Amino acid sequence: GAVVSQHPSWVICKSGTSVKIECRSLDFQATTMFWYRQFPKQSLMLMATSNEGSKATYEQGVEKDKFLINHASLTLSTLTVTSAHPEDSSFYICSAELAGDSYEQYFGPGTRLTVT
Amino acid sequence: AQSVAQPEDQVNVAEGNPLTVKCTYSVSGNPYLFWYVQYPNRGLQFLLKYITGDNLVKGSYGFEAEFNKSQTSFHLKKPSALVSDSALYFCAVRDRGTSYDKVIFGPGTSLSVIP
Repeated sequence: GAVVSQHPSWVICKSGTSVKIECRSLDFQATTMFWYRQFPKQSLMLMATSNEGSKATYEQGVEKDKFLINHASLTLSTLTVTSAHPEDSSFYICSAELAGDSYEQYFGPGTRLTVT
Repeated sequence: AQSVAQPEDQVNVAEGNPLTVKCTYSVSGNPYLFWYVQYPNRGLQFLLKYITGDNLVKGSYGFEAEFNKSQTSFHLKKPSALVSDSALYFCAVRDRGTSYDKVIFGPGTSLSVIP
């Protein structure tokens, strides 16, 4: 159990276009989902915390108008990278937290974004 | 501010030998501690956690970790390493009860188990 999927697994887009990444919890409900960015051989950097039915909470330095997050249901959160630029190329990872007091996060496989 | 350190970028161990991946943390409140593993081309997987109770925590795939409050450490251990344990390991901490109730990940330690 506790499976999280991400779609797409990789995407190439042209500079100036927008890209949407979906994160789904397949077999559990997640009131809280997280979006991370991982640079090569580096740790995960938390971008934002997404709560179902409310606005996302962005970390300092993350542009909320550039990285649009929507958490419309208990099983789906989306990250839209708007007007993408080459510096947005990265590995984006989502996670979902089990409800209750487990504090465990379950991670999606990640999405490799390349902006040309 | 909370932080997590993994002092070793790389750990090499021979198959069958015990392994240790080190983690130290800094929090202002009570720490909730986690270990995750990332295999190549796969998502992070939860290994184990310490929330409260027994300082020795057992997790998946034969891994365990010991919470040491005085040394602010949460080292990951396994008595006998397997080649399949080769992966990237992340320690994480959550500073519950503070204004910054988020999970912070350490920089990661790459474990190589040599046949």
